Amino acid sequence: EDQVTQSPEALRLQEGESSSLNCSYTVSGLRGLFWYRQDPGKGPEFLFTLYSAGEEKEKERLKATLTKKESFLHITAPKPEDSATYLCAVQARTGRRALTFGSGTRLQVQP
Amino acid sequence: DAGVIQSPRHEVTEMGQEVTLRCKPISGHDYLFWYRQTMMRGLELLIYFNNNVPIDDSGMPEDRFSAKMPNASFSTLKIQPSEPRDSAVYFCASSLSLAGGPSYNEQFFGPGTRLTVL
Repeated sequence: EDQVTQSPEALRLQEGESSSLNCSYTVSGLRGLFWYRQDPGKGPEFLFTLYSAGEEKEKERLKATLTKKESFLHITAPKPEDSATYLCAVQARTGRRALTFGSGTRLQVQP
Repeated sequence: DAGVIQSPRHEVTEMGQEVTLRCKPISGHDYLFWYRQTMMRGLELLIYFNNNVPIDDSGMPEDRFSAKMPNASFSTLKIQPSEPRDSAVYFCASSLSLAGGPSYNEQFFGPGTRLTVL
């Protein structure tokens, strides 16, 4: 059974204080690992897809990296508008096409 | 593009009543997913369709839940009878498979329907 574990559950940062969120996964052959951002009262918003170990993707202050067992979402010099819940999900190469999500990391960036 | 549209946005009903949630996927997308999100269980898949055909309904909690996709632009999730433990936010998402590549692309989520069963 595919499993995704995210840590920490919650993170409070000062504006400009860089940090990383962790996503550990177990999957029977990885098709893709996905990062989503979810704001309160809204649906998840797609950020990145990573397909193979060593791959990195960047978007503004966010950078996602992937190894064979985990992914990191690095947040550089965060701003208050980066406050949200960040969700990690995996899709297996075979079987179900749907995503298995982690429980998320609630990020709060204080000015 | 209007994105994925869900209705209603909020639904409050009494135990035992029938509830129908509606979803309009992004035009041209061939996959449609129904998820449920709760504090305890997070975001979990209920069922998904490919080209209007249900592919995997193993996440549907029990026979009280049913989903249909009569055409490419409309899907429903029905709960009959509803119970208080069904209270959650229900999301619909759609995606477009890549021709000649992995049959998956990023999923686009709707705003969700917040269901409260009293």
